[in-house]
Amino acid sequence: IAGITQAPTSQILAAGRRMTLRCTQDMRHNAMYWYRQDLGLGLRLIHYSNTAGTTGKGEVPDGYSVSRANTDDFPLTLASAVPSQTSVYFCASSPQGLSTGELFFGEGSRLTVL
Amino acid sequence: GENVEQHPSTLSVQEGDSAVIKCTYSDSASNYFPWYKQELGKRPQLIIDIRSNVGEKKDQRIAVTLNKTAKHFSLHITETQPEDSAVYFCAASISGSQGNLIFGKGTKLSVKP
Repeated sequence: IAGITQAPTSQILAAGRRMTLRCTQDMRHNAMYWYRQDLGLGLRLIHYSNTAGTTGKGEVPDGYSVSRANTDDFPLTLASAVPSQTSVYFCASSPQGLSTGELFFGEGSRLTVL
Repeated sequence: GENVEQHPSTLSVQEGDSAVIKCTYSDSASNYFPWYKQELGKRPQLIIDIRSNVGEKKDQRIAVTLNKTAKHFSLHITETQPEDSAVYFCAASISGSQGNLIFGKGTKLSVKP
């Protein structure tokens, strides 16, 4: 059982480049999320999707975009990376909305923007 | 909007002692409060959660208490073990946001053998 898979696990990127972080889940969960984790700041929600075809903005959406063409995939795109986007990015999913319970996280993608 | 404050940021205890981590939230309409544990280099994982219709929930050595009037909730770990060493995050649901969560900044717990 794979659960939720992120790629790449680690990436170094030049500022100004475009980057897409991939996220795939095989649990048929309706809701998916992208968080960034920075030291001392905890987990902050970037974008979310409660069902295929819909997306919403979280706490820190600027500089990021997402799409949800199907249930399984939820890619996160940085159109023009900046050093402040250096972070660990976690994709997560839940069976319905968060009001029903557990978030299942991927292993994380460590992104360094130089 | 919702704000979640978590204290302390670091906590060191001796093996066998108890550990308590506290969180306060600002949105009185929040109704779901999970706690996540993140071991070094790993993904966060849910360890316990509580909903606003109960005041306490227990699972073996872990318990969570909720005080809705004061808008705070706490994680209690008894008989701590070295494998409890991790970063713990509290979170609170955001009303009107289809169930999204605001996380606290985390508590790094170290259990010394």
